Amino acid sequence: QKEVEQDPGPLSVPEGAIVSLNCTYSNSAFQYFMWYRQYSRKGPELLMYTYSSGNKEDGRFTAQVDKSSKYISLFIRDSQPSDSATYLCAMSDGTASKLTFGTGTRLQVTL
Amino acid sequence: EPEVTQTPSHQVTQMGQEVILRCVPISNHLYFYWYRQILGQKVEFLVSFYNNEISEKSEIFDDQFSVERPDGSNFTLKIRSTKLEDSAMYFCASSGPLSGSSNQPQHFGDGTRLSIL
Repeated sequence: QKEVEQDPGPLSVPEGAIVSLNCTYSNSAFQYFMWYRQYSRKGPELLMYTYSSGNKEDGRFTAQVDKSSKYISLFIRDSQPSDSATYLCAMSDGTASKLTFGTGTRLQVTL
Repeated sequence: EPEVTQTPSHQVTQMGQEVILRCVPISNHLYFYWYRQILGQKVEFLVSFYNNEISEKSEIFDDQFSVERPDGSNFTLKIRSTKLEDSAMYFCASSGPLSGSSNQPQHFGDGTRLSIL
């Protein structure tokens, strides 16, 4: 079983739709959870950073963590064509600083 | 907004040659990292660096790899004798500035695309 699983997509949605992106993980030691956005030929850009279970909202983005199910989600409201990118989930165990990434989900928001 | 900068953006090198990838982390950050992403694959951790020494390294980071912070602003990754399979995007990241806590969000540069011929 992979340590972090993420559906690679591609996911295509119309402008204005609500997007749901998800990752599952197997390592129960993970405590810190991140979502990064990566445009083509660019580095990962931090979107959301959360600790333990619960919700965190920032503008159109909401991150959810369910540690009991080992499941994290990123919701994007009112999606825009500029949201078209690859979304990477990443996590760490809190005692080491390395990040473990998912494979990324490619999102396309169409007009 | 402060950012991590990496040079060069693209490096082409003959197999067996040494290559140095350079990074300027965010100025008040204390923790530095290298990751790589082979085309079509996930981002993988290589090494973390704090207080002028390696904190952790992955299995990928073998004796051919080394890191250095030669001055107060640069952070470098050296590959001594490159192999074809070293072809990848290499990302530098930094986090901080609070000393004593390594669990702070990492900010990434735009990477160096390394092509080994």
